[in-house]
Amino acid sequence: AQSVAQPEDQVNVAEGNPLTVKCTYSVSGNPYLFWYVQYPNRGLQFLLKYITGDNLVKGSYGFEAEFNKSQTSCHLKKPSALVSDSALYFCAVRDLASGGSYIPTFGRGTSLIVHP
Amino acid sequence: GAGVSQSPSNKVTEKGKDVELRCDPISGHTALYWYRQRLGQGLEFLIYFQGNSAPDKSGLPSDRFSAERTGESVSTLTIQRTQQEDSAVYLCASSPTAQTYNEQFFGPGTRLTVL
Repeated sequence: AQSVAQPEDQVNVAEGNPLTVKCTYSVSGNPYLFWYVQYPNRGLQFLLKYITGDNLVKGSYGFEAEFNKSQTSCHLKKPSALVSDSALYFCAVRDLASGGSYIPTFGRGTSLIVHP
Repeated sequence: GAGVSQSPSNKVTEKGKDVELRCDPISGHTALYWYRQRLGQGLEFLIYFQGNSAPDKSGLPSDRFSAERTGESVSTLTIQRTQQEDSAVYLCASSPTAQTYNEQFFGPGTRLTVL
C-alpha cells in the first residue's frame, strides 16, 4: 500500500527567503516520488522526481527536493522564493513493491504564498 | 510539441443530463489517466488506460461514470445522470509508457458545473 501526506495546507514565505514544502510518504517497498505545481486554472506541471541515487534532486524553476529514507520524507525546497512561485504544490508517490503501482497516490496539495 | 489537450474547457449542465469529456494525450504516450479535483482538494484517481490492456476502473465512484479509449489515442469520460456532487475539475494525464518512473503530463482540465 502507498500513501503520501502533505502536512501543511498553506505555506507563507517572503520573497527572497528560502522555502520548504513538506511531504512524507508510506510504502511497502522503495518509493518513486514526484513533485508537481499547479497554477490557477491550469493543469499540473511536473517539477522533479526522485527515483534512486542522490538524495538531493534538482528540478525545474530552481526547485530541488531532499529525499530522506529514514524520515520517509521528500521535501521540496528553493533557496530564494519568487512571488511567481505562488501556486499549489502536489507530492505524489509510487510504491515499487510487488512490481510497482502504475497509479501514483497524490497528496492533498500545499498552497504556497510568496509575499513581496 | 503539443501537450495534453482537453475539451471542453468549461461545461455547465443541468442535474440529470449526461456529459462527455474528451482528452487528447501526447502522441505516442501509451498510458492515460483520468482524475477528479474538487475545489480545494487533491487529485482523486478515476481510471487508467495502458495500451490495449483492460483499463483499471478501480477509482470510478459509481456506475454513472465510464470511460473509453481508442487504441493509444483519444479518451472520453462520460458521466450519466449528472449530480451536483459531480461538479469538479476533471484532469487527464498521459505518460510515455507504463513504467513507474515516468512522470505524468497533465492537460488543462475540464471544469464541470452541475446546476
